[in-house]
Amino acid sequence: GENVEQHPSTLSVQEGDSAVIKCTYSDSASNYFPWYKQELGKRPQLIIDIRSNVGEKKDQRIAVTLNKTAKHFSLHITETQPEDSAVYFCAASVGFGNEKLTFGTGTRLTIIP
Amino acid sequence: EAGVVQSPRYKIIEKKQPVAFWCNPISGHNTLYWYLQNLGQGPELLIRYENEEAVDDSQLPKDRFSAERLKGVDSTLKIQPAELGDSAVYLCASSLGGPWEQYFGPGTRLTVT
Repeated sequence: GENVEQHPSTLSVQEGDSAVIKCTYSDSASNYFPWYKQELGKRPQLIIDIRSNVGEKKDQRIAVTLNKTAKHFSLHITETQPEDSAVYFCAASVGFGNEKLTFGTGTRLTIIP
Repeated sequence: EAGVVQSPRYKIIEKKQPVAFWCNPISGHNTLYWYLQNLGQGPELLIRYENEEAVDDSQLPKDRFSAERLKGVDSTLKIQPAELGDSAVYLCASSLGGPWEQYFGPGTRLTVT
C-alpha cells in the first residue's frame, strides 16, 4: 500500500521567514495530494491540495509543488505569521477506485515572534 | 454551510465497556470516513462509506469495532468492548465523492481507563 513520509517532524522559523515541509510517497499511481493544518485540540483543516496534472498551486501565502518523477511534494508558506503555528499533515491518494487518504506523520511548525 | 458534526466531544470509559460515536456529515456529502488519530500521528482510515455502503473497511478491527450508516446520512461507530489501546481521537470526515476535499469533524477524544 501507499506509504507517505514527512519531514521535518518539527520546524521553527522566525516570523516573516518562509517555511518548507516535504513529503515523499511510494505509490506512483497516487494523483491527489492535500495538505491539512491542525491546531491543538482542533480538527484537521484542508488548506491546499494539488492533483497530478499540475506541478504547482498557489493560494496567497501558501503554495504546493509536486514532482511526480521523484514522487515528492512540498508545502511552502511565505511571510509566516504567528497564526501559522500548528501541525501540518500531508496526504496522498490514488483517487477514484481507492479513495483512501494516507497521511504523513505531521510537522509541528512554530513561528517565533 | 454547517460543517461535520460529531458527538460526544469527549468520552471517558473503563476498559471492557462499550462506547459509541456519532457523526453527521456535511449536507449532500455522499462519502463518509471514520479515522483514528493517535497522539502525534496522522489520521488513519478505519472505514469509508459511499452512501450507506461500506466500501472500504479493511482497516477496521472487526472483532470489536462496528459501524453503520443506515440511511446514507449520519453514521455511528461502536467499540465493544473497549481496550486501553483504543484511547485516541476518532475523527469523522465527509466529501462529495472521491478522496478530494475531505472535511473533518472536531473528533471524539476517547480515554479508556
